[in-house]
Amino acid sequence: EAQLVQSGGGVVRPGGSLRLSCVGSGFIFDNYGMSWVRQVPGKGLEWVSGVNWNGGGALYADSVKGRFTISRDNSKNSLFLQMDSLKNEDTAFYFCATRTNIDGRFDYWGQGTLVTVSS
Amino acid sequence: SYVLTQPPSVSVAPGKTATITCGGDMIGSKKVHWYQQKPGQAPVLVVYDDSDRPSGIPERFSGSKSGKTATLAVSRAEAGDEADYYCQVWDTSRDHRGVFGGGTRLTVL
Repeated sequence: EAQLVQSGGGVVRPGGSLRLSCVGSGFIFDNYGMSWVRQVPGKGLEWVSGVNWNGGGALYADSVKGRFTISRDNSKNSLFLQMDSLKNEDTAFYFCATRTNIDGRFDYWGQGTLVTVSS
Repeated sequence: SYVLTQPPSVSVAPGKTATITCGGDMIGSKKVHWYQQKPGQAPVLVVYDDSDRPSGIPERFSGSKSGKTATLAVSRAEAGDEADYYCQVWDTSRDHRGVFGGGTRLTVL
């Protein structure tokens, strides 16, 4: 059974940094692109960032461009999101998800981790 | 930027069919995917490529598309179908990026 397990959320002050991790199992990790999707509590889903199967082609939403960095380590079936210069409006649940290259669907999702940016 | 428009809420009586729409320009040229999200849980893919179902998703969930609108139908609605539903496409019109609709809360009355 495919599974994505996330870690790394927490509380951080505005301007601070946080690194999220996501480890995949039960599927061939490097067959998939990967993405991060976030959700402000009580609101809708927002795509944040994506990366190709080989770690190339990093993409970002305008709201996080220049502040967030996505990366992956296929040898460890792992995906990362380095979040710098955090703002109050980055407060959200963050989900990692596999992205099927051919049609851009998100097949498998992590359980989500809450990032709270507050002074 | 590309926009997908969903109604905020839809209600359905148990046993009846609920339809949730997702509108967008040029949606006919894009593959539309649908997710179900229950409170406190991660989203689950229920329909992909407009009308295909992942393994394990009941046949009661079906998708279609016509003109500028994609539709998710939930037939023989059950209390367990109460959830938020999101449509999604991968937009390549400018930069490549994921785009979600605003979400629809389905209530089974």
